Amino acid sequence: RKEVEQDPGPFNVPEGATVAFNCTYSNSASQSFFWYRQDCRKEPKLLMSVYSSGNEDGRFTAQLNRASQYISLLIRDSKLSDSATYLCVVNGGSNYQLIWGAGTKLIIKP
Amino acid sequence: SQTIHQWPATLVQPVGSPLSLECTVEGTSNPNLYWYRQAAGRGLQLLFYSVGIGQISSEVPQNLSASRPQDRQFILSSKKLLLSDSGFYLCAWNLAEETQYFGPGTRLLVL
Repeated sequence: RKEVEQDPGPFNVPEGATVAFNCTYSNSASQSFFWYRQDCRKEPKLLMSVYSSGNEDGRFTAQLNRASQYISLLIRDSKLSDSATYLCVVNGGSNYQLIWGAGTKLIIKP
Repeated sequence: SQTIHQWPATLVQPVGSPLSLECTVEGTSNPNLYWYRQAAGRGLQLLFYSVGIGQISSEVPQNLSASRPQDRQFILSSKKLLLSDSGFYLCAWNLAEETQYFGPGTRLLVL
């Protein structure tokens, strides 16, 4: 089992729709969770951290389910500019190690 | 504000040739520094990290090496490149356990 698993997609979603994807992780000791966004041929950029209580930033909502060991990302009112690959990142248990999922590709269509 | 630079942006090298990629960070002191490789359609693979000058930890055995000659400089090297070394190389930094921030990356193609 991979340490961090994501559905690679692509998710083809019409503009304005709501889309959600999950990411599962295997290390129950993980304490830090993040969603990054990566545009084609660019570096990953932090989208949001994921807190135990969940957090929301505009159209984006992230949730953590420790019992089932997954995190989720919900995007409401999707925009064309949301098209990207979304990377799930989990702390690997040590101070410096982050484990990266392979990403979920999202394509927003007009 | 902090910035991170990587160069070159793109590199095409023959098999067996040496490699040197450089990463520098500005606007912070004593950052943790990281080298990642991302193969096409894959997740990021941590290659090396450094918590201080001269301190390098390797995550995967391979023909690559890293050095940190100055506080905000991180270098990735190879004496002889392999075809399998092709990929997108990303340098990142953070402080303590904070979020990692990435440089623009170097796209390496080994022929």
